[in-house]
Parts: sequence; C-alpha cells; structure tokens
Amino acid sequence: SQELEQSPQSLIVQEGKNLTINCTSSKTLYGLYWYKQKYGEGLIFLMMLQKGGEEKSHEKITAKLDEKKQQSSLHITASQPSHAGIYLCGADPISNTGKLIFGQGTTLQVKP
Amino acid sequence: DAGITQSPRHKVTETGTPVTLRCHQTENHRYMYWYRQDPGHGLRLIHYSYGVKDTDKGEVSDGYSVSRSKTEDFLLTLESATSSQTSVYFCAISGGRQAYNSPLHFGNGTRLTVT
Repeated sequence: SQELEQSPQSLIVQEGKNLTINCTSSKTLYGLYWYKQKYGEGLIFLMMLQKGGEEKSHEKITAKLDEKKQQSSLHITASQPSHAGIYLCGADPISNTGKLIFGQGTTLQVKP
Repeated sequence: DAGITQSPRHKVTETGTPVTLRCHQTENHRYMYWYRQDPGHGLRLIHYSYGVKDTDKGEVSDGYSVSRSKTEDFLLTLESATSSQTSVYFCAISGGRQAYNSPLHFGNGTRLTVT
C-alpha cells in the first residue's frame, strides 16, 4: 500500500526563522493536501496542490509539488508562535476516490 | 469553519458494549468520511459515504459499521467495543462535484476510551 513519509518528525525553531517540512511518496499522487492540527482539535485545511510544479502561498506559508508529483514541501517564512502545531500532508493515492491517506505529521514548536 | 459537529466529544465505555458516534453537517455536502487517529499510525480511513445510503469501507473498517439516512448525518457504530478501538475519531466532509478535487474539512474529533 502507498505511504506518505513526512520529515522531520519534529522541529523546534526560534521565532523569526524559516523552516521546511517535506512529504514524500513512492508513487504519483493525485492531489496533495496540507493540514495543520492543534492538540486536541481537528485538522485545518491549508492548501491543495494538484499539478506537477504547482506552488501556492498563503500569508507566510508556501507549498510546492514537484514535477513528478511524488514530493511536496511546506515552507514557513519568519516563523511565529502561532505557527506551532502539527502539520500533516494528505494525498489521494488513486485518482477519483477522494479517500485520502496521510503522513504521520510533523510537530512544530516555535520558541519566542 | 465548515459546519461539522461531532458528538459526543469524549466518551468512556466498557469492552463489549456498542457505541455510536455522530457526525452532523450543515453544509449539504455529498461526501462524508470517518477517520481514526492513533500515535504511530496517523490518520486512517474507516468508512466513507458518497451519498445517502451509499457507503463503502476504508482501510480499517473491521469492527465498525456506518449509516447515512440523511445528507446531514453520518453515524459510526462500534458493534462491540474493544480496547484497540480506543482512539480519536474524526469526521470529515467534502463538497466538490467530484470527491478527488476538493479538500476534506474536519470536525473537532471524538476521543473514545474503551476500558
């Protein structure tokens, strides 16, 4: 079965620093989704990428999907304490199902 | 926030008892999903629904059943709860014309403990 590997598993950064989280699959992905989760809460949708080479930004967060649609990165510029949480990538491994699989998550701490 | 309400938010039950979790949406979305989240396993799909009375199994469906008699409600039943079903359960909805090109929006979860 297809899996999504996220790296790193956890990250501690100083406020103001940039950081990158990666999400990798061994197979082509049909839709790549990034979510953020705070402890004890649900997942908040951040961005969706569908085309190879696609890049999207929202405020200080940028997500990219590589040309082969097997790897995505999430980049946060000038991190803030509000960015702390768990970031998860999700993907549709089989076109047309909408049944997402998820990576294990990356826990981000931002030190003031 | 998408209008998704999960109930109860917390539940403790004993092994062998049936348990029903409810997901209610006010978005009139077609697709609904039940996931469980466990340390070391991440989020895994239990069952999903693509319309009223139309449901299908996900990756970890054994021991679970679902029903969807109305667009707004998707029920997850643990027929005879076991300790391995202790988990956080999330409901999600998707509103696209096709399931594959719309993001899922999640509820706040139900924390279930089976003793």
